[in-house]
Amino acid sequence: GEDVEQSLFLSVREGDSSVINCTYTDSSSTYLYWYKQEPGAGLQLLTYIFSNMDMKQDQRLTVLLNKKDKHLSLRIADTQTGDSAIYFCAETASYGQNFVFGPGTRLSVLP
Amino acid sequence: NAGVTQTPKFQVLKTGQSMTLQCAQDMNHEYMSWYRQDPGMGLRLIHYSVGAGITDQGEVPNGYNVSRSTTEDFPLRLLSAAPSQTSVYFCASSSLLPTAGYTFGSGTRLTVV
Repeated sequence: GEDVEQSLFLSVREGDSSVINCTYTDSSSTYLYWYKQEPGAGLQLLTYIFSNMDMKQDQRLTVLLNKKDKHLSLRIADTQTGDSAIYFCAETASYGQNFVFGPGTRLSVLP
Repeated sequence: NAGVTQTPKFQVLKTGQSMTLQCAQDMNHEYMSWYRQDPGMGLRLIHYSVGAGITDQGEVPNGYNVSRSTTEDFPLRLLSAAPSQTSVYFCASSSLLPTAGYTFGSGTRLTVV
């Protein structure tokens, strides 16, 4: 079946850029998302990118998609302590049906 | 406030008991899903629905039932609780637009002893 992989931990200094990576196996993935989860809370949609796009920028967030390598990345510019959270990559080939989530990357921002 | 409401927030069950986790959304969303979150495993899809009266199984459906009699409600039933069902459960909903993404509830933390 489909699989999504992420590294589990990332630490950065406040003010630096963070890059969170994700690889997926489903070559028919069409819709790819990044979600943020703060402690004790549900998931919050951060941004998305579709398979007909290579890059999407939204304020401090930049998403890059390499369809050939099935690799997705999320760059957070000027990382702040409030960005400390778990970040999930998710993909689906058919929206509304079977979303597959990665295990999540725990981002720690050091002062 | 508009959103996805899950009840209860916490629950302890004994092995073999049954219960229903409630999920309601007031955004008139067609799509609704139930996930479980376990440490180091991300979220896994239990059941989903693409509209009232339509449900389907996800990755880990065994031991759970769902129904979707209205657009707003999507309850998840545990038939006979087992310790392996100890987890955090999230309900999510979305409109038909992929650009909207899913809106998640705040979760139900379930412990089965």
